[in-house]
Amino acid sequence: NAGVTQTPKFQVLKTGQSMTLQCAQDMNHEYMSWYRQDPGMGLRLIHYSVGAGITDQGEVPNGYNVSRSTTEDFPLRLLSAAPSQTSVYFCASSPSGTGGSGANVLTFGAGSRLTVL
Amino acid sequence: GEDVEQSLFLSVREGDSSVINCTYTDSSSTYLYWYKQEPGAGLQLLTYIFSNMDMKQDQRLTVLLNKKDKHLSLRIADTQTGDSAIYFCAERNTGGFKTIFGAGTRLFVKA
Repeated sequence: NAGVTQTPKFQVLKTGQSMTLQCAQDMNHEYMSWYRQDPGMGLRLIHYSVGAGITDQGEVPNGYNVSRSTTEDFPLRLLSAAPSQTSVYFCASSPSGTGGSGANVLTFGAGSRLTVL
Repeated sequence: GEDVEQSLFLSVREGDSSVINCTYTDSSSTYLYWYKQEPGAGLQLLTYIFSNMDMKQDQRLTVLLNKKDKHLSLRIADTQTGDSAIYFCAERNTGGFKTIFGAGTRLFVKA
């Protein structure tokens, strides 16, 4: 059981380039999300999805695009990278999007460190 | 909007107790969480507490919740060097699609 897998672990881009961060989970979780982690600012939610075909914006969605064509995959696209997008990106999933009867604990990937020059 | 605040640093001696504090603004928070992040890794759940509880204990960890003051704390008894990490407080409300995180408290444990 791999959990949440993110690729790549490290990436360096030039300003204006585009790229996709991949995220896959094998736990049949309905809910998937992307956060970015910056020093002193904690984790900020970029986009999330409550199921295949459904996505929505978080706190800091500008400059990022997502899609959810399958339950397992939730890629994050940077359309035109900017130095302000230098960060560590985490994908996280949980059994469902709403509370239901459980705590809906997030399972995190190991992170992808992105540097934009 | 929802906000979660915690101090950025805490330093303790090995064997002492550590207390990490957190305040949140969303009075409809249903679940409050503590996650741990070790260097170069993702976050892992340490423990969580449901909003109708005041306290939860799990081995060396004690979580206290004061709903009136919207204050959450994590106590680590007999702190070890292996406890050195960043600890994140987080909250989510029933039916909410978002888990909101604090900035994280970096715990330094001195031998």
